[in-house]
Amino acid sequence: AQSVTQLGSHVSVSEGALVLLRCNYSSSVPPYLFWYVQYPNQGLQLLLKYTTGATLVKGINGFEAEFKKSETSFHLTKPSAHMSDAAEYFCAVTDSSGSARQLTFGSGTQLTVLP
Amino acid sequence: DSGVTQTPKHLITATGQRVTLRCSPRSGDLSVYWYQQSLDQGLQFLIQYYNGEERAKGNILERFSAQQFPDLHSELNLSSLELGDSALYFCASSVVGERNSPLHFGNGTRLTVT
Repeated sequence: AQSVTQLGSHVSVSEGALVLLRCNYSSSVPPYLFWYVQYPNQGLQLLLKYTTGATLVKGINGFEAEFKKSETSFHLTKPSAHMSDAAEYFCAVTDSSGSARQLTFGSGTQLTVLP
Repeated sequence: DSGVTQTPKHLITATGQRVTLRCSPRSGDLSVYWYQQSLDQGLQFLIQYYNGEERAKGNILERFSAQQFPDLHSELNLSSLELGDSALYFCASSVVGERNSPLHFGNGTRLTVT
């Protein structure tokens, strides 16, 4: 079975500062990893995904994440925070069953951007 | 706009009642997923359908059922509702049901059971 741990349910950064949201996973098979963002009263929007290949993945809105197998991590970063980045962020991993798809989500990290 | 449409946006009902949530996937997407989001449980996978057939089942209660119709829209039926069923229910869709195809989420239906 797979699982995801997001360290820090709330993260606050100043506008222009580095954003770092932490995600560690557990998976019995090579994982497929995702970051989603949820704005208030909206559904989840895909930021980026790692499947195979390059371990540094670039996503939308200037976010990127690096897959580190040795650390079982997939941390999300953005060099300079913007007020519009304030939202909840979810890390997710796929399950190990073949053609079926079941995303397991972390508990989420609420990002606050301070002016 | 993800292209996934969920209705209604809000639903308020009493304990013991039955409700139906509706989802229209993105055009061309064959796979539909239902998730429940609550404060204490987070985002929980309920069930997946692919082209009308049930593909995977998660933490879905026996009081809940779902189906996907020939036009690919899906309905989630919740019966004998309890206070603890109050949550945000999301539908998501993808082109296929494979591991690397991203999910596109609707804006959810907020269910309040009183």
